[in-house]
Amino acid sequence: GENVEQHPSTLSVQEGDSAVIKCTYSDSASNYFPWYKQELGKRPQLIIDIRSNVGEKKDQRIAVTLNKTAKHFSLHITETQPEDSAVYFCAASKGGSGYSTLTFGKGTMLLVSP
Amino acid sequence: EAGVAQSPRYKIIEKRQSVAFWCNPISGHATLYWYQQILGQGPKLLIQFQNNGVVDDSQLPKDRFSAERLKGVDSTLKIQPAKLEDSAVYLCASSFGAANYGYTFGSGTRLTVV
Repeated sequence: GENVEQHPSTLSVQEGDSAVIKCTYSDSASNYFPWYKQELGKRPQLIIDIRSNVGEKKDQRIAVTLNKTAKHFSLHITETQPEDSAVYFCAASKGGSGYSTLTFGKGTMLLVSP
Repeated sequence: EAGVAQSPRYKIIEKRQSVAFWCNPISGHATLYWYQQILGQGPKLLIQFQNNGVVDDSQLPKDRFSAERLKGVDSTLKIQPAKLEDSAVYLCASSFGAANYGYTFGSGTRLTVV
């Protein structure tokens, strides 16, 4: 089955800096890669996703890049703010098969200091 | 639109006791998932339903865990008997179709087995 590795496990940045979280996946058939943000004690919430026919996607301060050849994808957060502090999870699935499921990475705890 | 509803929010039980969790997905979402999230880890799929049928339960410890979605709407997940290592947050998620449109998670049930 699919295996998703995520790094780093913890990331501390100063407010205004950029943050980058990287994930690799094992199944070359995976074609859908969402990112979830989970604040302490709350449910994971989808913040951005990318499909394999696209190399990059941006939404305000958040961007995701995908390298299908290398089987890795990354989350980029620019101009970080304290409210960006949370655990971020990457995931992968073989979307389109009808019954695919998301396999998650172990998460990255992002700490943004004022 | 109403979100994914889960209850209870918290549960503390002794080992060897039984416990049940309930989930009501977003209206119209045919696919329902139960995930187990151990502290410090990413969500791990336990079972996936498509309407009232099981699609994937390969990671469900069937000697102690069971789940049903009899009418294709709400679902229950049961653990009997519970072990200490079952302490985790149990997340229910739903999606309209295949996973490549992302999930909506419920708030989860935090289970502590003592």
